[in-house]
Amino acid sequence: AQSVTQLDSQVPVFEEAPVELRCNYSSSVSVYLFWYVQYPNQGLQLLLKYLSGSTLVKGINGFEAEFNKSQTSFHLRKPSVHISDTAEYFCAVIPNTGGFKTIFGAGTRLFVKA
Amino acid sequence: EAGVAQSPRYKIIEKRQSVAFWCNPISGHATLYWYQQILGQGPKLLIQFQNNGVVDDSQLPKDRFSAERLKGVDSTLKIQPAKLEDSAVYLCASSPRGGSTFTEAFFGQGTRLTVV
Repeated sequence: AQSVTQLDSQVPVFEEAPVELRCNYSSSVSVYLFWYVQYPNQGLQLLLKYLSGSTLVKGINGFEAEFNKSQTSFHLRKPSVHISDTAEYFCAVIPNTGGFKTIFGAGTRLFVKA
Repeated sequence: EAGVAQSPRYKIIEKRQSVAFWCNPISGHATLYWYQQILGQGPKLLIQFQNNGVVDDSQLPKDRFSAERLKGVDSTLKIQPAKLEDSAVYLCASSPRGGSTFTEAFFGQGTRLTVV
């Protein structure tokens, strides 16, 4: 079975500061890795994904993430956040075993302060 | 390309009543998912369809939840009777293909259900 752990439930940060949202996963098979963002009363929007290749993945809105296989981590980073980045962020994995259902972490609430 | 459409966006019902949600996936997408997102938690898969067949419904509370996908296109998710703990956002997602070929899922905006 697979599981996803987001290590911080809430992350407050000042505007223009850097931020890192941490994600670790557990799986006995290879997985694809994703970060989604959810703004209030909205659905899930894909930020970025890792399928294969370069372990540093760049996404939308200036976010990037690095896949670390040995540490089974996929942390999300942004060098300078904006007020508009305030949202819920979900790390997710899809096991490469067919079916391809998405397994989500519990989410990290990013709160950007002026 | 139109996204995944869901309706209604919001629904408030009393416990023991029934409710139904509707989802129209992206045109041509073979796989459809229903997720339940309880406040403060990540989405949890309830049921996965490929075309009009069920691939995974292991976490669907079958005593009160049911879902169908007629003709392999639209889908409805029903709760009867509803309980207070069913209050959540119900997300529908679709992906182009299934089986052994990986494709990511695209999500709708969800239906927020409040059971009082």
